[in-house]
Amino acid sequence: NAGVTQTPKFRILKIGQSMTLQCTQDMNHNYMYWYRQDPGMGLKLIYYSVGAGITDKGEVPNGYNVSRSTTEDFPLRLELAAPSQTSVYFCASSFELASNQPQHFGDGTRLSIL
Amino acid sequence: AQKVTQAQTEISVVEKEDVTLDCVYETRDTTYYLFWYKQPPSGELVFLIRRNSFDEQNEISGRYSWNFQKSTSSFNFTITASQVVDSAVYFCALSEAVYGGSNYKLTFGKGTLLTVNP
Repeated sequence: NAGVTQTPKFRILKIGQSMTLQCTQDMNHNYMYWYRQDPGMGLKLIYYSVGAGITDKGEVPNGYNVSRSTTEDFPLRLELAAPSQTSVYFCASSFELASNQPQHFGDGTRLSIL
Repeated sequence: AQKVTQAQTEISVVEKEDVTLDCVYETRDTTYYLFWYKQPPSGELVFLIRRNSFDEQNEISGRYSWNFQKSTSSFNFTITASQVVDSAVYFCALSEAVYGGSNYKLTFGKGTLLTVNP
């Protein structure tokens, strides 16, 4: 009964380092999403995917990359970490495009860039 | 452009009080979807309700109720007889219908922090 699993839960990076935030879901959902949540703010969509091999930019894609080689996995890559990317990152999935379906969220990854 | 405004940044109530969280949205689409999510102190996001633009019927689920009014572009959320466990940040969100999977956009409000004191 895992749902959406994100790893790691916490991470501290130095400026310029790179890392990959992992996200996997076991609900066979076609649609997956990455959001960031800055303090006191709502979520902003970074990237989303409508199926394996297909990804699209959201509202704030700069500085990030994604891939979707399988239905289950949707990793988010930071190539050159910057302080502005300090945030809490949420991965989500849904059975259909989330305009008309609720999304299932992971527990989040808290990332600090120092 | 779509926009969601939650004007109440923080609300504090005493247990058993009723509380209403306001949500006002802007969109140019005639077909759209509205959501409420709860984020408790533990940080996870919990889906509460979805409403499409063609269904203005109010909904009640236990102590929770939602009032959707297209005339005022509002989708307000009321908790009756609040409990300490209701303490959380509540987010309202709006999504316009898209076709073909591209240009998807989901806009969240900034959230309302609800604190229910014993």
